[in-house]
Amino acid sequence: DTEVTQTPKHLVMGMTNKKSLKCEQHMGHRAMYWYKQKAKKPPELMFVYSYEKLSINESVPSRFSPECPNSSLLNLHLHALQPEDSALYLCASSWLPGQGNQETQYFGPGTRLLVL
Amino acid sequence: AQKITQTQPGMFVQEKEAVTLDCTYDTSDQSYGLFWYKQPSSGEMIFLIYQGSYDEQNATEGRYSLNFQKARKSANLVISASQLGDSAMYFCAMRGGYNKLIFGAGTRLAVHP
Repeated sequence: DTEVTQTPKHLVMGMTNKKSLKCEQHMGHRAMYWYKQKAKKPPELMFVYSYEKLSINESVPSRFSPECPNSSLLNLHLHALQPEDSALYLCASSWLPGQGNQETQYFGPGTRLLVL
Repeated sequence: AQKITQTQPGMFVQEKEAVTLDCTYDTSDQSYGLFWYKQPSSGEMIFLIYQGSYDEQNATEGRYSLNFQKARKSANLVISASQLGDSAMYFCAMRGGYNKLIFGAGTRLAVHP
């Protein structure tokens, strides 16, 4: 099973709200990722967690705060977002790098976020 | 720097015909991985096929095959017997440092009945 789940599917929030996106996988993967995708563009990497520790932050504004409570869960906490943050947020997971085709990243269905 | 180029913004194909989506890449690494993903309008990125730089044979997964030409740095996706459900955006990607995925701009495929 290569399933990654994400909740919620859709989210509308005001610029003063605090909300969280959730991602879960039960494939035993030890790397998890957050991507942001604007319309008609490829996904852009935001964060990478390896063994529940943050290994890459692609200079993401602090209004986005990732959290990895355990090896199966990945959260993205949102606070004081701007309208330009409206996008599709995708979560992915994989085995660790350098292990042949085990490096394949499997994506969840995404959360469509609209910031008003 | 690593780069993926997809030069076809849009492609059309008749149902049941084969179609090739182009992808070229640039890297100075000797070891690298190439991926193709499908993204329907629903948004989910669906993994299709993987090719490792040291794999001697072209990868195949059902109706999908990857035409890997290492000297030309190309990794074209071939979809045989197209179906209406194949209509989607297709992204070619390369594994970068720290397992980052570097994506091309994508090709939108429309399958006509």
